[in-house]
Amino acid sequence: GAGVSQSPSNKVTEKGKDVELRCDPISGHTALYWYRQSLGQGLEFLIYFQGNSAPDKSGLPSDRFSAERTGGSVSTLTIQRTQQEDSAVYLCASSLTPPSGGAAQFFGPGTRLTVL
Amino acid sequence: KNQVEQSPQSLIILEGKNCTLQCNYTVSPFSNLRWYKQDTGRGPVSLTIMTFSENTKSNGRYTATLDADTKQSSLHITASQLSDSASYICVVSAGGSYIPTFGRGTSLIVHP
Repeated sequence: GAGVSQSPSNKVTEKGKDVELRCDPISGHTALYWYRQSLGQGLEFLIYFQGNSAPDKSGLPSDRFSAERTGGSVSTLTIQRTQQEDSAVYLCASSLTPPSGGAAQFFGPGTRLTVL
Repeated sequence: KNQVEQSPQSLIILEGKNCTLQCNYTVSPFSNLRWYKQDTGRGPVSLTIMTFSENTKSNGRYTATLDADTKQSSLHITASQLSDSASYICVVSAGGSYIPTFGRGTSLIVHP
C-alpha cells in the first residue's frame, strides 16, 4: 500500500496559463477531496467525489476551476487562465468512506502552485 | 454555519515540556472530531479520532480530550520532542455531511 500521491510536487506558471494537477488516491478509497491551502491559512474545501455519484463542486472558487475523476480512481484538478491569487498548495485526500462515518482522510503531499 | 476555532494560533516551547492545544467547534449534529498533524511540506496525518461518547484518548505522547457539552476538545502533548514541531489541525465532521470542517491549525515550534 502506497499512500496518496500527487503530481507535480511543484508547478510554476505564468498568469493566464492553464494547469493540471493530478491525484492518485489509495486503491479502494471511494471518497476523494481536493483542498487548497494558502500560506498561514486553513484548508479550503474545493470539490468532493464519492464513487460514481455526481461530485460536490460547491467549494470551487470560480468557473476557472474544474475537476474530474476517471474510473473512480485518478483525479485531475484543472485551473484555467491562472491568476496570482491561485498560488497555493493544492492537497488531495482520499478516504474509505466519508469522514462523518469515522473514516480518516489520507492526504497526499500536495502540489505547490506558483503563478507569476 | 459550522465553525472550528483553534487556539493558540502559534506556540513555542522548549524540548521536554508539555503543552495543550485547544479546539472549539459549533458543528451540528456532531459526528466525530479528529486531530491531524501536518509537518512542513507534507499533507496532514491523523493522530486520533474522538466520537461523542469518548472523553479521552491517548496515542503515545498525544492525549486528546472531548467535552461534547461545551463543544471543546484539547490535544495534550507530553514531553515534547523536536519532531513535534508541526501544525496541528482540528477537524470536525457532522452527521449526514461528507464535508468536514477544518480549523486553521496551531503552529507548534519545539526548541532544543
